[in-house]
Amino acid sequence: DGGITQSPKYLFRKEGQNVTLSCEQNLNHDAMYWYRQDPGQGLRLIYYSQIVNDFQKGDIAEGYSVSREKKESFPLTVTSAQKNPTAFYLCASMSKGRLGGYTFGSGTRLTVV
Amino acid sequence: QQPVQSPQAVILREGEDAVINCSSSKALYSVHWYRQKHGEAPVFLMILLKGGEQKGHEKISASFNEKKQQSSLYLTASQLSYSGTYFCGTENLRNSGYSTLTFGKGTMLLVSP
Repeated sequence: DGGITQSPKYLFRKEGQNVTLSCEQNLNHDAMYWYRQDPGQGLRLIYYSQIVNDFQKGDIAEGYSVSREKKESFPLTVTSAQKNPTAFYLCASMSKGRLGGYTFGSGTRLTVV
Repeated sequence: QQPVQSPQAVILREGEDAVINCSSSKALYSVHWYRQKHGEAPVFLMILLKGGEQKGHEKISASFNEKKQQSSLYLTASQLSYSGTYFCGTENLRNSGYSTLTFGKGTMLLVSP
């Protein structure tokens, strides 16, 4: 079955450390997105990419970086510059037709220790 | 700018109806609705395109008034499985030329027996 795979499910980061969250899809979708979810805040857009080797900053990109070297993969790096990284991170993708909406991965819960 | 959802929370008994509203201060291309169970990824329910049409999905339907920049989600004869947090996502065009979804803070729905 097609879908989006995020890994790891849980991640613990020490202060000053960079960590990378994996997102892989086999839906052949062009567009991919990273959202951050905090309690009571809804989902906020970090980065998005519509085609390979191209991506744009979302609303809260500071302290994050991404790459899109392959259509299937859109990893997110949480750098030490992100002062409050503890959150639930969701990766999503969507086909060009967009009538099927976003397909979300199961998420990565990142905690700073 | 984040769309505004109301109410913030709803408690229903099985079989009762509910309406969740979503309003935006920006012009909309479309409105998406998602449901998220605790600790899980959001699941796409439906998309409303320009034209004020009403769409249905099981006993869940929605309307979209593009002039008022509002959408409403209607849940009729609620079932226990309807419990979760409902998010609207409004599609907006960004400076990049691409459109993305901006999500509201969510409406928590609890259906009790």
